[in-house]
Amino acid sequence: AQKVTQAQTEISVVEKEDVTLDCVYETRDTTYYLFWYKQPPSGELVFLIRRNSFDEQNEISGRYSWNFQKSTSSFNFTITASQVVDSAVYFCALSEARRAGTALIFGKGTTLSVSS
Amino acid sequence: GAGVSQSPSNKVTEKGKDVELRCDPISGHTALYWYRQSLGQGLEFLIYFQGNSAPDKSGLPSDRFSAERTGGSVSTLTIQRTQQEDSAVYLCAEGQPNYGYTFGSGTRLTVV
Repeated sequence: AQKVTQAQTEISVVEKEDVTLDCVYETRDTTYYLFWYKQPPSGELVFLIRRNSFDEQNEISGRYSWNFQKSTSSFNFTITASQVVDSAVYFCALSEARRAGTALIFGKGTTLSVSS
Repeated sequence: GAGVSQSPSNKVTEKGKDVELRCDPISGHTALYWYRQSLGQGLEFLIYFQGNSAPDKSGLPSDRFSAERTGGSVSTLTIQRTQQEDSAVYLCAEGQPNYGYTFGSGTRLTVV
C-alpha cells in the first residue's frame, strides 16, 4: 500500500528563517514519482516539483530545494530565507507508475506561516 | 490551452438535495481524477477515469456519490441526498505520473 506522511502539521517561522518540511513515503513499487504542491490561501494547487524514483539528485530552484533519499524514503523540502508569500499549505504526494493514470496519494499537508 | 475548468466554483445546497459538479479537462488527457478536500484536511482521492471508464472507484465514500465521463472529456460528479459532512472542496485533475498533474480550482460545496 502507498502512504505519505507529513508529520509536521503546522510550522511558524519569522521571515528570512530557513525552514524544512518533512515528507516520508511508503510504497512497494520500485518505480514511482514524488511531488510537492503549494496551496496558498486562495485555494488553488500549485505544482512545485516532480521527481522519479530513479533520480536521487537533489534539486534547487531559487530559494527552494528538495532532498530525496531513498534509503530513508524521504523527500524533504527546504525554503531558504523564507518570505511572507511562502505562507501556504504544502502537500507532498506519491504516484506509483505501475500503469498509466495512477492517482496521486497526498500527505495531510503542512501549514507554513511566515511572519514579518 | 492547457488547464482544468471546474464549475460551479461555489455551490450552496440544502441537505437532502442532489448536486452535480462539473470538470472540463481542456487539454484532453485520457486520465482524470476527482479529489475531495474537507476543511483543514488533505486531499482524499475519490475516483479515477481512463477515457470514459472508471477503473478505480475505491475512494467514493458512499453510494450517494457517483461520477461519469463522456466523450473522454467532461466529467460530472454527482452527490445524491447531500449531507452536511459532504461540505468540502471538490477538485478535479488530469494527467499521469510521468507527465505530471494539473488541478482545477475546485468547487466549494456547502451543505446547509
